[in-house]
Amino acid sequence: AQSVTQLGSHVSVSEGALVLLRCNYSSSVPPYLFWYVQYPNQGLQLLLKYTTGATLVKGINGFEAEFKKSETSFHLTKPSAHMSDAAEYFCAVSGNAGNMLTFGGGTRLMVKP
Amino acid sequence: DVKVTQSSRYLVKRTGEKVFLECVQDMDHENMFWYRQDPGLGLRLIYFSYDVKMKEKGDIPEGYSVSREKKERFSLILESASTNQTSMYLCASSSRGTNTEAFFGQGTRLTVV
Repeated sequence: AQSVTQLGSHVSVSEGALVLLRCNYSSSVPPYLFWYVQYPNQGLQLLLKYTTGATLVKGINGFEAEFKKSETSFHLTKPSAHMSDAAEYFCAVSGNAGNMLTFGGGTRLMVKP
Repeated sequence: DVKVTQSSRYLVKRTGEKVFLECVQDMDHENMFWYRQDPGLGLRLIYFSYDVKMKEKGDIPEGYSVSREKKERFSLILESASTNQTSMYLCASSSRGTNTEAFFGQGTRLTVV
């Protein structure tokens, strides 16, 4: 069984500030981890995915995530928030051959001017 | 440009009606998924198909069925719609494998009155 917990359903930052969105997972097999972003009234699009062997993963729009096996975490960061980053972010895990993604509850990021 | 297309963006149906949500992908993907998205709950998997005519139940299959007669098309059926099925429904597809990206449609917002 696999599960994902995203700490904080809402995060608010000022423009230019650091963005940190937290994700912890549990998986009975080596996990495949993803971050997706959903802009208003749109479907989800991939921000980045964890590839075995790399602890720091770079994604689109300046986002990156660090895989920490000892902490079962895959937190998403961006050094400097932009107004266009306001969206909902989902962490997901896949640990089976069927590629079924299990999603966290999502974190809505708000960026203040 | 890769595409997952859902037939409707918005639907309003009456309680007890039979509802069909259609999804088509143009990427020749083996896997197709139906998720339901509710605030605070993230995305929950309803059904998954890994090949034509093949299906597997996800986390919340009750009240739903699916049909996959052609590789590119995956339909979600609400046999008798109820108000607690009011939600956003997202279709996704991916190629076979354990670390492949899932591509999402724009979503269908279903309201059952």
